[in-house]
Amino acid sequence: GAVVSQHPSRVICKSGTSVKIECRSLDFQATTMFWYRQFPKKSLMLMATSNEGSKATYEQGVEKDKFLINHASLTLSTLTVTSAHPEDSSFYICSADTGDSNQPQHFGDGTRLSIL
Amino acid sequence: QKEVEQDPGPLSVPEGAIVSLNCTYSNSAFQYFMWYRQYSRKGPELLMYTYSSGNKEDGRFTAQVDKSSKYISLFIRDSQPSDSATYLCAMSFTYNFNKFYFGSGTKLNVKP
Repeated sequence: GAVVSQHPSRVICKSGTSVKIECRSLDFQATTMFWYRQFPKKSLMLMATSNEGSKATYEQGVEKDKFLINHASLTLSTLTVTSAHPEDSSFYICSADTGDSNQPQHFGDGTRLSIL
Repeated sequence: QKEVEQDPGPLSVPEGAIVSLNCTYSNSAFQYFMWYRQYSRKGPELLMYTYSSGNKEDGRFTAQVDKSSKYISLFIRDSQPSDSATYLCAMSFTYNFNKFYFGSGTKLNVKP
């Protein structure tokens, strides 16, 4: 089945640093990937839609200069949290559109980001 | 008002019980309705999806959509401890290349 790999699974870093999260589709090509943020006991909130070879589409209220998204190939999208602060601590999850009618979006296992 | 409302629980049931999980929504334009299961520290895993109103059954799981009431349900028969997880409903206007609106998730605990 479709597999989406997300790396790293856990990051702890100091305030002010930038953190890059990778999302890879391992056995299929994904022209569209999605980045979500999930707070404890809250729903997944779509941050941006990433299309291969073009600029990402950000949801209202999401700072595009803060959350840089790159989708340079059909199997890789990256999210970079720039100059991270404690309020950026969260669970970030990516998903990929598989083009499979039995699997609307397939999710990675998420990255837990903790900013000290 | 949130687009999708879901009782966060937790919901605790004995093994073998029938579980009913529900979501309500406000936007009648939603066409696709999904149920995902999320284990702790893992990404959501698709369980079932339905288009428009009606029922869909897959093994022990049954999904129901009532568009007139803007209400969807997931039933789990003969619940097992391995079903213990958070269940998320999600909805979208179109099938692909579009945003999903998620409920906040219901945490289910099935006791042996």
